[in-house]
Amino acid sequence: QVQLQESGPGLVKPSETLSLTCAVSGYSISSGYYWGWIRQPPGKGLEWIGSIYHSGSTYYNPSLKSRVTISVDTSKNQFSLKLSSVTAADTAVYYCARMVGEDCSGGSCYYYYYMDVWGKGTTVTVSS
Amino acid sequence: SYVLTQPPSVSVAPGQTARITCGGNNIGSKSVHWYQQKPGQAPVLVVYDDSDRPSGIPERFSGSNSGNTATLTISRVEAGDEADYYCQVWDSSSDLLFGGGTKLTVL
Repeated sequence: QVQLQESGPGLVKPSETLSLTCAVSGYSISSGYYWGWIRQPPGKGLEWIGSIYHSGSTYYNPSLKSRVTISVDTSKNQFSLKLSSVTAADTAVYYCARMVGEDCSGGSCYYYYYMDVWGKGTTVTVSS
Repeated sequence: SYVLTQPPSVSVAPGQTARITCGGNNIGSKSVHWYQQKPGQAPVLVVYDDSDRPSGIPERFSGSNSGNTATLTISRVEAGDEADYYCQVWDSSSDLLFGGGTKLTVL
């Protein structure tokens, strides 16, 4: 079955760039679907960061767009997140997930994206 | 921007029915998805596209969506259902939105 595993530094200094990678197994990213990042600050709710297609097409949360870059490496079957100029407010558990939800059967497409498979998450703390 | 509103908490006795709401302007025109998150774990999809269940999710979990309110209904609540529940939509402005979450307490 599809499995996702996040990896990256657990501690990042303020003003630096947070970098995480999500390795996908059991499914080839090149086969389709969007792949996304979601975060959850301690004791708070879920926040979508952005998503990427194997072609490189991206969607970003408007509130984070200026600081976020999501990229994909199909040869390694993984995708990555970079979040620049981090502050303590970026401290969170970061999840990667597969994003599905397209219906193009009627000649035009209807999009209703949701996350059907999630990684276990990785904790990132921003502190000097 | 579009906002999803959930009650912070819902309490229910074992064996009873829990209803968790998700409010949004004309949310009935959107597809709503629901996630269950237990402490220290990743979210799990329990309902998608308003009322469909992924494989492995008990029939006790069901969803509905009309007007300005979507509802996740959990029948015959068990102690193991105690968790945070989040609703989610894909907005027409290409934005994926979560509700603030509802903590379900089984009394």
